[in-house]
Amino acid sequence: QVQLQESGPGLVKPSQTLSLTCAVSGGSISSDGDYWSWIRQFPGKGLEWIGYIYYSGSTYYNPSLKSRLSISVDTSKNQLSLKLSSVTAADTAVYYCAREGSINLGWFDPWGQGTLVIVSS
Amino acid sequence: DIQMTQSPSSLSASLGDRVTITCRASQSIYSYLNWYQQKPGKAPKLLIYAASTLQSGVPSRFSGSGSGTDFTLTISSLQPEDFATYYCQQAYSSRTFGQGTRLEIK
Repeated sequence: QVQLQESGPGLVKPSQTLSLTCAVSGGSISSDGDYWSWIRQFPGKGLEWIGYIYYSGSTYYNPSLKSRLSISVDTSKNQLSLKLSSVTAADTAVYYCAREGSINLGWFDPWGQGTLVIVSS
Repeated sequence: DIQMTQSPSSLSASLGDRVTITCRASQSIYSYLNWYQQKPGKAPKLLIYAASTLQSGVPSRFSGSGSGTDFTLTISSLQPEDFATYYCQQAYSSRTFGQGTRLEIK
């Protein structure tokens, strides 16, 4: 079955760019109909959807993050990436990648284990 | 933006109890509503999608209902492994989550 694994720096300085990678195993990131999302969970436990990408490179971003956000896909490596620029302490969160198995119904399954990113000087 | 409001925010219940969690959308989302369970230190797990369809492998004591703006997640008989935090999520316009309902043992 499909498994996802996030990786990247756990500490980022304010104003810098947060960069994370999600490796997909057990299946192809190019599978028809599968979209790949980033979701974050704040320390207070609230969840925020960040955006998704299709293997073709088509993206859809959360409007509140769009100006700082870039999601890309590397089909040869079976992975997707997230870049969030100009970070502040408010971007401190656990970052998850997840498969969105139906773009119409918009459910997320499975999820990666998550990676904690702290924004601090 | 569509806002999702869950109630209650926390709930204490006993083994074997029937429990209902409510999720309300700020506008109609038809049946584009999903439910997740999250245990401490773990990622959320999909329980129900499209308001009432049970995800494969999820026990039948979980059920979902509703459409439009009001939705419910029901656990028919609480088991020890059900004590967790539950989130609803809309997929009608962008994606947003409810704030969560923490289910604790009484």
